[in-house]
Amino acid sequence: EPEVTQTPSHQVTQMGQEVILRCVPISNHLYFYWYRQILGQKVEFLVSFYNNEISEKSEIFDDQFSVERPDGSNFTLKIRSTKLEDSAMYFCASSEVPTRGNTEAFFGQGTRLTVV
Amino acid sequence: RKEVEQDPGPFNVPEGATVAFNCTYSNSASQSFFWYRQDCRKEPKLLMSVYSSGNEDGRFTAQLNRASQYISLLIRDSKLSDSATYLCVVNGPGGGNKLTFGTGTQLKVEL
Repeated sequence: EPEVTQTPSHQVTQMGQEVILRCVPISNHLYFYWYRQILGQKVEFLVSFYNNEISEKSEIFDDQFSVERPDGSNFTLKIRSTKLEDSAMYFCASSEVPTRGNTEAFFGQGTRLTVV
Repeated sequence: RKEVEQDPGPFNVPEGATVAFNCTYSNSASQSFFWYRQDCRKEPKLLMSVYSSGNEDGRFTAQLNRASQYISLLIRDSKLSDSATYLCVVNGPGGGNKLTFGTGTQLKVEL
């Protein structure tokens, strides 16, 4: 069964450092997303990406965040200068082009980011 | 009003019981509705989409009431492996493909 894969599974970084989280979406999917989940809280939308550009982003996704699709398979999330409050589980997801409003998204196993 | 609201639980039920979860959403323009399941510290996994006419997948039945902006999930003959957090998810606000998650309802199925 095709799946979204993310690396690394766990990343520890010092405050102020840059991190890049990597994702390989499902191969025939065209929409890509990043979500995050702070421990004990709900899953929150960060950004969606389609046709090589951001299609939507949340208030969380400020200038410290960027996304890129550097080649035909990878989708990355960069956090330029990490803060303690960026510690969370980051989930990548992908979906097909929605039909009749159906936007079923499939999630990767997540990257646990710990900022110290 | 929260965008997607769920009773956090936990719901503790014996194996074999029937359990129902409810969810309300605030954005009347939402077009897509889902139930996801999340095990502790794992990714959300799609359980089922929810259609206007209601739909069933094995022991799971989902219902949607657009007028009341209300979604439900019924689990029959619950099993130990059903223990998880059940996330009510809708698309929007603002249309588009972004998903808005509820905080989830925790289910514990016991012997």
